[in-house]
Parts: sequence; C-alpha cells; structure tokens
Amino acid sequence: GAVVSQHPSWVICKSGTSVKIECRSLDFQATTMFWYRQFPKQSLMLMATSNEGSKATYEQGVEKDKFLINHASLTLSTLTVTSAHPEDSSFYICSAPSLRAAANYGYTFGSGTRLTVV
Amino acid sequence: KQEVTQIPAALSVPEGENLVLNCSFTDSAIYNLQWFRQDPGKGLTSLLLIQSSQREQTSGRLNASLDKSSGRSTLYIAASQPGDSATYLCAVREDRDDKIIFGKGTRLHILP
Repeated sequence: GAVVSQHPSWVICKSGTSVKIECRSLDFQATTMFWYRQFPKQSLMLMATSNEGSKATYEQGVEKDKFLINHASLTLSTLTVTSAHPEDSSFYICSAPSLRAAANYGYTFGSGTRLTVV
Repeated sequence: KQEVTQIPAALSVPEGENLVLNCSFTDSAIYNLQWFRQDPGKGLTSLLLIQSSQREQTSGRLNASLDKSSGRSTLYIAASQPGDSATYLCAVREDRDDKIIFGKGTRLHILP
C-alpha cells in the first residue's frame, strides 16, 4: 500500500534553533502534502498544504515565516520550524492523498515527529 | 465552518464488551469520513473509510456507519480486547477541498 515515511520520529532542540522534518512518499507520487500539528489531548490541526512546485497554503493563524514548507519534488515535502521556541513543542504529522491508500482516495499519514524545544 | 465532535472523550470498558464511539459533524457536504486509531506518541492508522454515498464499512471486529444527512457516524467495536486501547479519531474530508477536519478523539481503555 501507499507509504509516507516521516523523519525524524522525535527531536529535541534548543530554543532558537531550526528543525527540519521530512516526509517522503515511498511508492507513489504526492503532488499534495498536508501538515498537521497536535498538542497533547487535542485534535490534529491542519497547519498548511504544500503542492509540488508551488508555494504552500497556510491556515489562518499559522506563521508562514516560522513554519517553512518546501515541496520540491513529487516524493518529498519538508517542514522547517525556524527559531523554535518551547511553545512550538508538539507532534507534527504529514499526510498525502493517495489513490492507493484505500482504493477510494484515502489519505496516508506519516508516523509523526515529536518535537521538544528546551 | 466544519466542526467534528466525538463523544465520549474517554471510555473505559471491561474486556469482551461491545462498544460504540460517536462522531458528529456540522456540515453534511462531505466527500468521505475516516476513522483512525492513534497509539500514544504514534502516528495514525486508518481503520475504515466511508464514502459519502455509503452507509457503512466493516473490517473484522470493526463496523463504521455513516448518516450523512444527520451528520453522524458511529464506530462499533465488537468483543473488545486490551489491544484495542488507543485513541480513536474521526475525520471528514469536505466536498469543497481536500482538507481533512479531525475530531478530538475518544481515548479508549479496555480493562483486562
């Protein structure tokens, strides 16, 4: 089936540094990638939508200069948290629509990245 | 604006019981509805996907129903097992775009 590989699975960084999260579609082409953030005991909230070869679309309230998204190829999308602060500590997860995910336009999710900013 | 609500927020039941998780959504203009499982600190596992034209989907001990007009879905788990303990998330994909809107989930604990 369709697989999205997300790395790293967890990362601890110092406040003020930047962290890059990668999501790769392994056996299909992901023209679109969705990036979500989940705080403890909260729902997944859509942050932004990246499309291959074009600028990402950010949801209201998400700082595009802080959360840089690059989708340079059909198999790779990256999210960079710039100048991270403790309040950015969260669980980040990517998702791509895939015709192979469930034979009915399902979505495949990465395994998530636990970011802790100290 | 689409809102997805899941009730209850948490549930503890003895092993072997059948149980129902509820999901409701405010805008019935959905493309599909999906149930996911999330283990602590882990990613999402898709359980069942129901297209807007379908009424239910079954996989093993799981059965999901969809009543689009009333904005409701249920996930039925038969003969619950301790391994079913996880958070179950309901998510809808809207007709107008590719966005998925998630509920906050139901934290399920099956008591051995």
